[in-house]
Amino acid sequence: QVQLVQSGAEVKTPGASVKVSCKASGYFFTSYYMHWVRQAPGQGLEWMGIINPSGGYTTYAQKFQGRVTMTRDTSTNIFYMEVISLTSEDTAVYFCARGGGRRIEMPSHWGQGTLVTVSS
Amino acid sequence: SYVLTQPPSVSVAPGQTARITCGGFGIGGKSVHWYQQKAGQAPVLAVHDDSDRPSGIPERYSGSNSGNTATLTISWAEDGDEADYYCLVWDSGSDHWVFGGGTKLTVL
Repeated sequence: QVQLVQSGAEVKTPGASVKVSCKASGYFFTSYYMHWVRQAPGQGLEWMGIINPSGGYTTYAQKFQGRVTMTRDTSTNIFYMEVISLTSEDTAVYFCARGGGRRIEMPSHWGQGTLVTVSS
Repeated sequence: SYVLTQPPSVSVAPGQTARITCGGFGIGGKSVHWYQQKAGQAPVLAVHDDSDRPSGIPERYSGSNSGNTATLTISWAEDGDEADYYCLVWDSGSDHWVFGGGTKLTVL
């Protein structure tokens, strides 16, 4: 069955960067897009971007362009999402969510989430 | 950018029908997906492509989409349906995915 296992919680200081991982299993890695979504405390879901694991092509939400990088390692079946220049506004739970074989197909399987806390 | 509007909260009595709306300009021309999120958990896909249910989702969950409003309907509401619900669409104009703000469903 499809499994997405994310890395553990992180605590960072303002200005630092964080890299969250998402290990995929139970399906053919390069056949399905991967989304990243975040949720600030008490707030709603926010779409951050999407990566095509086959060629590594990415699309980022306008809000995150220049500050977020999504990558993947096809040898280990792991996706990564890095955010730089962290501020307290980046405190959130970050989710990876597997999409479909086309970029317009919805996310259907979610990781457990990774809490990133930004605090001085 | 494309905006989806949901009511912040909806209440329903056990056994009654809850309807959660998701408003957006011309949303009837888009595919709408609905997620259920219980406290402290990851979202779960409840309805996709306007009205299709993934395996494991009860038939009590249904969806519709027309004009400027999509609706998630939960029939015979149970305590276990209490959760936050989010709509999601892909906006072809921006090539971005967009979430609604979420609706907290309370089963009184």
